[in-house]
Amino acid sequence: GDSVTQMEGPVTLSEEAFLTINCTYTATGYPSLFWYVQYPGEGLQLLLKATKADDKGSNKGFEATYRKETTSFHLEKGSVQVSDSAVYFCALSLFGGSQGNLIFGKGTKLSVKP
Amino acid sequence: DADVTQTPRNRITKTGKRIMLECSQTKGHDRMYWYRQDPGLGLRLIYYSFDVKDINKGEISDGYSVSRQAQAKFSLSLESAIPNQTALYFCATSVTGKGYTFGSGTRLTVV
Repeated sequence: GDSVTQMEGPVTLSEEAFLTINCTYTATGYPSLFWYVQYPGEGLQLLLKATKADDKGSNKGFEATYRKETTSFHLEKGSVQVSDSAVYFCALSLFGGSQGNLIFGKGTKLSVKP
Repeated sequence: DADVTQTPRNRITKTGKRIMLECSQTKGHDRMYWYRQDPGLGLRLIYYSFDVKDINKGEISDGYSVSRQAQAKFSLSLESAIPNQTALYFCATSVTGKGYTFGSGTRLTVV
Protein backbone atom coordinates (compact mmCIF):
# COMPACT_ATOMS: atom_id res chain seq x y z
CA GLY A 1 0.00 0.00 0.00
CA ASP A 2 0.89 3.66 -0.04
CA SER A 3 3.31 4.69 2.68
CA VAL A 4 5.88 7.21 3.83
CA THR A 5 9.17 6.36 5.53
CA GLN A 6 11.22 9.01 7.24
CA MET A 7 14.39 8.86 9.25
CA GLU A 8 13.96 8.06 12.89
CA GLY A 9 14.87 10.60 15.47
CA PRO A 10 15.52 12.23 17.63
CA VAL A 11 17.94 14.45 15.80
CA THR A 12 20.03 16.83 17.90
CA LEU A 13 22.00 19.63 16.26
CA SER A 14 23.85 22.72 17.30
CA GLU A 15 22.59 26.10 16.17
CA GLU A 16 23.69 27.00 12.61
CA ALA A 17 24.29 23.35 11.69
CA PHE A 18 23.03 21.87 8.41
CA LEU A 19 19.87 19.79 8.61
CA THR A 20 18.73 16.89 6.47
CA ILE A 21 15.72 14.74 7.30
CA ASN A 22 15.26 11.91 4.83
CA CYS A 23 11.85 10.94 3.48
CA THR A 24 10.97 8.29 0.91
CA TYR A 25 7.57 7.18 -0.26
CA THR A 26 5.71 4.33 -1.90
CA ALA A 27 2.63 5.21 -3.91
CA THR A 28 0.50 3.51 -6.53
CA GLY A 29 -0.24 6.78 -8.25
CA TYR A 30 1.43 10.15 -8.63
CA PRO A 31 1.31 11.81 -5.23
CA SER A 32 1.68 15.31 -3.94
CA LEU A 33 4.28 15.54 -1.17
CA PHE A 34 4.34 17.63 1.99
CA TRP A 35 6.34 18.49 5.05
CA TYR A 36 4.43 19.44 8.17
CA VAL A 37 5.89 20.81 11.39
CA GLN A 38 4.52 20.40 14.91
CA TYR A 39 5.83 22.76 17.57
CA PRO A 40 5.48 21.68 21.22
CA GLY A 41 1.87 21.72 22.38
CA GLU A 42 0.50 22.69 19.00
CA GLY A 43 -1.16 21.12 15.97
CA LEU A 44 0.50 20.49 12.64
CA GLN A 45 1.33 23.31 10.27
CA LEU A 46 2.13 22.98 6.60
CA LEU A 47 5.79 23.80 6.08
CA LEU A 48 6.13 23.21 2.34
CA LYS A 49 4.79 21.12 -0.51
CA ALA A 50 5.50 19.92 -4.03
CA THR A 51 2.97 18.57 -6.49
CA LYS A 52 5.07 17.22 -9.36
CA ALA A 53 8.47 15.78 -10.12
CA ASP A 54 11.45 18.15 -9.78
CA ASP A 55 9.35 20.76 -7.99
CA LYS A 56 11.12 22.37 -5.06
CA GLY A 57 9.06 23.45 -2.09
CA SER A 58 10.55 26.08 0.19
CA ASN A 59 9.56 28.07 3.27
CA LYS A 60 11.34 29.65 6.25
CA GLY A 61 14.73 28.54 4.92
CA PHE A 62 13.63 24.91 4.55
CA GLU A 63 13.68 23.20 1.16
CA ALA A 64 12.67 19.85 -0.30
CA THR A 65 12.78 18.62 -3.89
CA TYR A 66 10.36 16.06 -5.32
CA ARG A 67 12.55 13.30 -6.77
CA LYS A 68 10.45 10.81 -8.67
CA GLU A 69 13.41 8.66 -9.72
CA THR A 70 14.38 8.02 -6.10
CA THR A 71 10.85 8.42 -4.67
CA SER A 72 12.23 10.89 -2.16
CA PHE A 73 11.41 14.28 -0.65
CA HIS A 74 14.24 15.06 1.76
CA LEU A 75 13.95 18.15 3.96
CA GLU A 76 16.99 20.42 4.23
CA LYS A 77 17.96 23.65 5.93
CA GLY A 78 21.35 25.28 5.71
CA SER A 79 21.48 26.80 9.18
CA VAL A 80 19.08 25.70 11.90
CA GLN A 81 17.97 27.83 14.81
CA VAL A 82 16.79 26.93 18.30
CA SER A 83 13.29 27.97 17.20
CA ASP A 84 13.30 25.15 14.61
CA SER A 85 13.06 22.58 17.42
CA ALA A 86 9.91 20.62 16.61
CA VAL A 87 8.62 17.37 15.18
CA TYR A 88 8.67 17.17 11.38
CA PHE A 89 6.31 14.94 9.41
CA CYS A 90 6.62 13.95 5.79
CA ALA A 91 3.29 13.15 4.10
CA LEU A 92 1.79 12.26 0.77
CA SER A 93 -1.59 12.65 -0.83
CA LEU A 94 -2.75 10.94 -3.97
CA PHE A 95 -5.51 13.40 -4.70
CA GLY A 96 -3.78 16.70 -5.08
CA GLY A 97 -3.10 17.34 -1.44
CA SER A 98 -6.34 18.81 -0.29
CA GLN A 99 -8.87 16.62 -2.00
CA GLY A 100 -7.87 13.31 -0.52
CA ASN A 101 -6.34 12.03 2.64
CA LEU A 102 -2.85 12.57 3.91
CA ILE A 103 -0.64 9.60 4.69
CA PHE A 104 1.99 10.53 7.26
CA GLY A 105 5.41 9.26 8.15
CA LYS A 106 6.11 8.59 11.82
CA GLY A 107 7.70 11.96 12.45
CA THR A 108 11.24 13.08 13.28
CA LYS A 109 11.90 15.08 16.41
CA LEU A 110 14.51 17.80 15.98
CA SER A 111 16.22 19.47 18.92
CA VAL A 112 18.52 22.41 18.26
CA LYS A 113 20.92 23.41 21.02
CA PRO A 114 22.30 26.95 21.42
CA ASP B 1 -10.04 32.79 17.40
CA ALA B 2 -8.48 29.68 15.92
CA ASP B 3 -9.68 28.50 12.51
CA VAL B 4 -10.12 24.95 13.79
CA THR B 5 -11.11 24.62 17.45
CA GLN B 6 -11.03 21.39 19.38
CA THR B 7 -12.62 20.82 22.77
CA PRO B 8 -11.64 19.74 25.31
CA ARG B 9 -7.87 20.31 25.13
CA ASN B 10 -7.21 17.67 27.75
CA ARG B 11 -9.40 14.93 29.16
CA ILE B 12 -8.94 12.07 31.56
CA THR B 13 -11.66 9.45 31.56
CA LYS B 14 -12.24 5.99 32.95
CA THR B 15 -12.36 2.73 31.06
CA GLY B 16 -15.85 2.01 29.76
CA LYS B 17 -17.03 5.62 29.75
CA ARG B 18 -18.47 7.31 26.69
CA ILE B 19 -16.66 10.43 25.62
CA MET B 20 -17.09 12.93 22.80
CA LEU B 21 -14.42 15.13 21.29
CA GLU B 22 -15.66 18.13 19.41
CA CYS B 23 -14.29 20.05 16.48
CA SER B 24 -15.56 23.25 14.94
CA GLN B 25 -14.14 25.33 12.11
CA THR B 26 -14.53 28.82 10.71
CA LYS B 27 -12.66 28.08 7.47
CA GLY B 28 -15.77 27.20 5.49
CA HIS B 29 -14.11 23.99 4.35
CA ASP B 30 -16.26 21.04 3.27
CA ARG B 31 -13.82 18.31 4.21
CA MET B 32 -13.10 17.37 7.80
CA TYR B 33 -10.91 14.66 9.33
CA TRP B 34 -10.07 13.04 12.63
CA TYR B 35 -6.53 11.76 13.18
CA ARG B 36 -4.90 10.03 16.09
CA GLN B 37 -1.25 10.62 17.02
CA ASP B 38 0.76 8.09 19.00
CA PRO B 39 4.48 8.39 19.79
CA GLY B 40 6.55 6.76 17.07
CA LEU B 41 3.51 6.05 14.88
CA GLY B 42 2.82 9.39 13.29
CA LEU B 43 -0.78 10.36 12.55
CA ARG B 44 -3.36 7.80 11.54
CA LEU B 45 -6.73 8.58 10.01
CA ILE B 46 -9.81 7.56 12.02
CA TYR B 47 -12.73 9.02 10.03
CA TYR B 48 -13.25 11.65 7.37
CA SER B 49 -16.17 13.52 5.89
CA PHE B 50 -16.27 15.27 2.50
CA ASP B 51 -19.59 16.96 3.21
CA VAL B 52 -22.42 16.88 5.74
CA LYS B 53 -23.99 13.74 4.27
CA ASP B 54 -20.73 11.90 3.65
CA ILE B 55 -18.91 9.90 6.35
CA ASN B 56 -16.05 7.49 5.64
CA LYS B 57 -13.97 5.15 7.75
CA GLY B 58 -10.26 5.66 7.86
CA GLU B 59 -7.40 3.36 8.71
CA ILE B 60 -8.31 2.83 12.38
CA SER B 61 -12.07 3.40 12.83
CA ASP B 62 -12.80 0.47 15.15
CA GLY B 63 -13.98 1.68 18.56
CA TYR B 64 -14.83 5.15 17.25
CA SER B 65 -17.83 6.86 15.69
CA VAL B 66 -18.38 10.32 14.26
CA SER B 67 -21.14 12.80 13.64
CA ARG B 68 -21.11 15.66 11.14
CA GLN B 69 -23.72 17.94 12.66
CA ALA B 70 -23.14 20.79 10.24
CA GLN B 71 -20.53 21.89 7.73
CA ALA B 72 -18.59 23.48 10.56
CA LYS B 73 -18.87 20.72 13.18
CA PHE B 74 -17.44 17.21 13.28
CA SER B 75 -17.49 15.20 16.52
CA LEU B 76 -15.62 12.05 17.41
CA SER B 77 -17.07 9.63 19.97
CA LEU B 78 -15.60 6.77 21.92
CA GLU B 79 -18.61 4.71 22.97
CA SER B 80 -16.71 2.71 25.57
CA ALA B 81 -13.22 4.05 26.12
CA ILE B 82 -10.29 1.69 26.64
CA PRO B 83 -6.74 2.46 27.76
CA ASN B 84 -5.17 1.87 24.33
CA GLN B 85 -7.23 4.79 23.05
CA THR B 86 -5.02 7.06 25.10
CA ALA B 87 -3.52 9.39 22.49
CA LEU B 88 -3.43 12.87 21.02
CA TYR B 89 -6.36 13.47 18.69
CA PHE B 90 -6.36 16.02 15.89
CA CYS B 91 -9.16 17.41 13.80
CA ALA B 92 -8.31 18.84 10.39
CA THR B 93 -10.14 20.53 7.53
CA SER B 94 -9.36 20.95 3.87
CA VAL B 95 -10.65 22.32 0.61
CA THR B 96 -9.38 21.93 -2.91
CA GLY B 97 -6.25 23.95 -3.51
CA LYS B 98 -5.97 25.30 0.01
CA GLY B 99 -4.38 22.45 1.89
CA TYR B 100 -5.10 21.17 5.36
CA THR B 101 -5.64 23.15 8.57
CA PHE B 102 -5.18 21.31 11.85
CA GLY B 103 -6.62 22.03 15.28
CA SER B 104 -4.39 22.19 18.34
CA GLY B 105 -5.31 18.71 19.46
CA THR B 106 -7.08 16.96 22.33
CA ARG B 107 -4.96 14.93 24.70
CA LEU B 108 -7.07 12.01 25.92
CA THR B 109 -6.05 9.69 28.74
CA VAL B 110 -8.10 6.59 29.51
CA VAL B 111 -7.39 5.11 32.93
